[in-house]
Amino acid sequence: DTAVSQTPKYLVTQMGNDKSIKCEQNLGHDTMYWYKQDSKKFLKIMFSYNNKELIINETVPNRFSPKSPDKAHLNLHINSLELGDSAVYFCASSRGQVETYGYTFGSGTRLTVV
Amino acid sequence: AQSVTQLDSHVSVSEGTPVLLRCNYSSSYSPSLFWYVQHPNKGLQLLLKYTSAATLVKGINGFEAEFKKSETSFHLTKPSAHMSDAAEYFCVVSRNAGNMLTFGGGTRLMVKP
Repeated sequence: DTAVSQTPKYLVTQMGNDKSIKCEQNLGHDTMYWYKQDSKKFLKIMFSYNNKELIINETVPNRFSPKSPDKAHLNLHINSLELGDSAVYFCASSRGQVETYGYTFGSGTRLTVV
Repeated sequence: AQSVTQLDSHVSVSEGTPVLLRCNYSSSYSPSLFWYVQHPNKGLQLLLKYTSAATLVKGINGFEAEFKKSETSFHLTKPSAHMSDAAEYFCVVSRNAGNMLTFGGGTRLMVKP
């Protein structure tokens, strides 16, 4: 019954590998997001996506790419992982205008690159 | 551009005493403001939101916040802290483009017995 679910919860991998994090929402929301939370708890938007538009934060390296097979899923693919990619990644979704409804977050994926 | 500044990175209170977490915002238009809470190793949960209706907003778990346009503030308060309130709190502002939210740096609330 989880509204926004992410898998895996923990991911440990070596530098240079390619990995994916999956996100699914069962709320019928229109827009999905990926955020990165660093070790100091700072949250930075990476992507915003609905079925019409992908908005990419210009500071996100092109090794990161979102892929949405359908409206309920937004997966995050990361190529050539680097140590600095270690962080907690949160998926979120929103209904309509986010300034009215806010986000619903997943529980996060802790990525550790060694 | 819209931004929020959380004035304290850490706040420590004793159980049963009031909580005040401070947030100032900057916006070129009338924004929506939110407070989210993140318990250790958990996701973020919406506490409350201001969307241009009543300036005093009540949220879950006894928290409330007051929107003060003249002071560009949206401070979070609770009359009496509970041990379970220990968490990271984020003040959040809406952006006027891209249907996204911008997060403050967070305030860690510690509650002493």
